[in-house]
Amino acid sequence: NAGVMQNPRHLVRRRGQEARLRCSPMKGHSHVYWYRQLPEEGLKFMVYLQKENIIDESGMPKERFSAEFPKEGPSILRIQQVVRGDSAAYFCASSPTDRESPLHFGNGTRLTVT
Amino acid sequence: EDQVTQSPEALRLQEGESSSLNCSYTVSGLRGLFWYRQDPGKGPEFLFTLYSAGEEKEKERLKATLTKKESFLHITAPKPEDSATYLCAVQGAPEIQGAQKLVFGQGTRLTINP
Repeated sequence: NAGVMQNPRHLVRRRGQEARLRCSPMKGHSHVYWYRQLPEEGLKFMVYLQKENIIDESGMPKERFSAEFPKEGPSILRIQQVVRGDSAAYFCASSPTDRESPLHFGNGTRLTVT
Repeated sequence: EDQVTQSPEALRLQEGESSSLNCSYTVSGLRGLFWYRQDPGKGPEFLFTLYSAGEEKEKERLKATLTKKESFLHITAPKPEDSATYLCAVQGAPEIQGAQKLVFGQGTRLTINP
């Protein structure tokens, strides 16, 4: 019974490169959430997606960040032209419906920008 | 704007020494208050959901309680393996735009010394 799978676990990028973070939700879950955790800070909501739809992207930076959850395959969080301030742990969570709780989290991708 | 404040930021206890963690919140229409446990390098692990004032939930040495303004996580006779960061989060009522997301507190870092 696999949980939420995120890969890679660790990602190192140089400033200006692109970062792609992947998330496969739990089986049967069609709702995906992305959160960012900066060092010594709490989890901050970024975006909420359903299959092929972005429902709430109120926590996403206006530039360089994008997310998708295609009909087939994992959800992708894409960061273009990364900067040092993007270094953080990025967590994905899933739920079976938008009214279902609790969210189940993956173990995150730790992005380091050098 | 929904807000969650946890206290203390860090807490050191001796094994067997009971204590409580606090989570104060303001939210427009509480749908649920959630407690998660997070170990270093891992994603948050779900512990409890509380839905209404007066509700209590228990799991092993942990008990969560809820009032209209705050929640407590009581830890009875803790063991070293209870050492972790405990996160509190709130979810607003579903009829409010963008309310599917969780708003997290900063967490309480709990250390249990043997």
